[in-house]
Amino acid sequence: AQKITQTQPGMFVQEKEAVTLDCTYDTSDPSYGLFWYKQPSSGEMIFLIYQGSYDQQNATEGRYSLNFQKARKSANLVISASQLGDSAMYFCAMREGIYNFNKFYFGSGTKLNVKP
Amino acid sequence: DADVTQTPRNRITKTGKRIMLECSQTKGHDRMYWYRQDPGLGLRLIYYSFDVKDINKGEISDGYSVSRQAQAKFSLSLESAIPNQTALYFCATSDLRGRDEQFFGPGTRLTVL
Repeated sequence: AQKITQTQPGMFVQEKEAVTLDCTYDTSDPSYGLFWYKQPSSGEMIFLIYQGSYDQQNATEGRYSLNFQKARKSANLVISASQLGDSAMYFCAMREGIYNFNKFYFGSGTKLNVKP
Repeated sequence: DADVTQTPRNRITKTGKRIMLECSQTKGHDRMYWYRQDPGLGLRLIYYSFDVKDINKGEISDGYSVSRQAQAKFSLSLESAIPNQTALYFCATSDLRGRDEQFFGPGTRLTVL
């Protein structure tokens, strides 16, 4: 089974509108972390936002927020007021466990295009 | 200056050649990783290292080897490159004392002809 599933290969959004990128995850470990990364066309991976499995509130970082629904095992990224510079690939990732790295998984990504 | 650097940034090589990709970091992190990225597949872990004496295979280690020369340096080698190793390769670091998030280098685009 896929550990991280991103079901939207590509999305379009109008500039200044909000957009939600979907991410579901699969783990039986009670301790995990969820991450979103942005990859512009230049190729670098840029960390956007983090949500810990024990965090009570949804994470927010500027225009980015994470809609964390633990029971549904979903961690959707919400980008408010989209900008042209938001056009990029977006990857959801999960780290399972706390002390033993051995499980860090990435989804296949969603390509977001922001239209002027 | 970048915290995680990779050399070379681009490389074209021929089948059967040995090639080394190098990664250096100034973040002081103990953990270092090598990933490859293929279109539609996201990132897949090749090798990771928790410290200089600790090397571990990841999801797709066949055909690759690594060397952790120092805390700050982690090299990936392709002993005999083949065309299906054409990909974008990323080095990353993380710090368990924090969230263990991955900090990525700029990537190396490798083409094997």
